[in-house]
Order: sequence, then structure tokens, then C-alpha cells
Amino acid sequence: DVKVTQSSRYLVKRTGEKVFLECVQDMDHENMFWYRQDPGLGLRLIYFSYDVKMKEKGDIPEGYSVSREKKERFSLILESASTNQTSMYLCASSPLGTGVGETQYFGPGTRLLVL
Amino acid sequence: GNSVTQMEGPVTLSEEAFLTINCTYTATGYPSLFWYVQYPGEGLQLLLKATKADDKGSNKGFEATYRKETTSFHLEKGSVQVSDSAVYFCALPFYQKVTFGTGTKLQVIP
Repeated sequence: DVKVTQSSRYLVKRTGEKVFLECVQDMDHENMFWYRQDPGLGLRLIYFSYDVKMKEKGDIPEGYSVSREKKERFSLILESASTNQTSMYLCASSPLGTGVGETQYFGPGTRLLVL
Repeated sequence: GNSVTQMEGPVTLSEEAFLTINCTYTATGYPSLFWYVQYPGEGLQLLLKATKADDKGSNKGFEATYRKETTSFHLEKGSVQVSDSAVYFCALPFYQKVTFGTGTKLQVIP
């Protein structure tokens, strides 16, 4: 079974702190994603990566950065956390695929509260 | 661009009731269509998918038919159980990326 793990289930941070969210997948997937999930808005893509050291902005990249130094690990960084970044953060991975749409495999999520 | 519209929730049903969650899409070409489910406290997982028009995806008693003429992919189940309580997302993949609907929360009461 594909397993995607996230470093924390719950985090509480202060405004202005630098926050690191870590994600690890064990299926040698090329693609990795970071989403945030908010009530009424569904999932919104922050960043994704299709290879080591490669990244592309998603729909809402402002205030975030990412790092992918190893294939299995994809980190989301909040350079200076703000209260409007309080949310559920979901990491996902998928294989390279054939263009018709591959299944994404999700971690359990990190619920971040910024005070 | 691609978009997915699904019915707003929450939907509350009694056990053994019939379920329909509507989903319509806008896309160029002929994409695959997915339904994902998110159980309480968990991440999303694929429930079912269809890769071309008139395909029917099915899993765990749920079904959805890809209808090109109405650009729809409605999710149905004949008899829901309390364990089906979750949030359901219609999704439209396009190469590596996926456009998700806003999610429909289903609550099944005994």
C-alpha cells in the first residue's frame, strides 16, 4: 500500500514564526503536492513538484515556499506565518502517469493554527 | 480552464436511504473523472473513477457514470450506511494536476 506520512497532525504557531511541514511518501512517486483545505473552498493547490529540485506554483502560492531535495520528501515552508494561514494542510503524491489522470495518494493532514 | 461544480452540503440521510451527490464539470477534451472520499480525521482516498464517456466507475456500493452529453458524473448509492458518513469530492485530473470540487459532507443517521 502507498503510504504518505506528514510530520505532525496538529501544530500551533505564533504569527511571524517560520513553519516547516514535512511530507514523506514510500512509493517512489515522481509527483508530490501540497494543498490547503478550508470549509466551503475545497482543496486548493499551493505547490507541486514533478521531480527532485523541481517545483511549480499552484493556485495559491503566496506566503509559501517548498523544498524537494530527495524524491521521497516534500516540505512546505511558511516563511512568516500569519493568521490567515490557519488551515488544514494536505500532502499528496502520484506516479508520473500517462496523461489521462493518475490517482493521488494523500497523507492524513496537518491542522495548523496560527495565533 | 477546467472546473468542477458539486452540490453543496451537508446532506443528511437515514440509514438505507438512496444517495445522489451531483457533480458537473467543464473541461477541454475528454478528461478522466474521479470521486474521492475523506473520512473524519483522514486524508482523501480515491473512491472510484471513469476514464472515458459512458464508463461507469464503482466501488463499495457507490457508482458514477461519466455522461459527456450532460457533462456530469453524479455519485449514487442505493442504501447508505452510517459508515459512509464522510466528505465526498468530485475531481477532474489533467496530467499531473487535479481540480477538486468543494466537497459535499454526508451524514448518515441510524
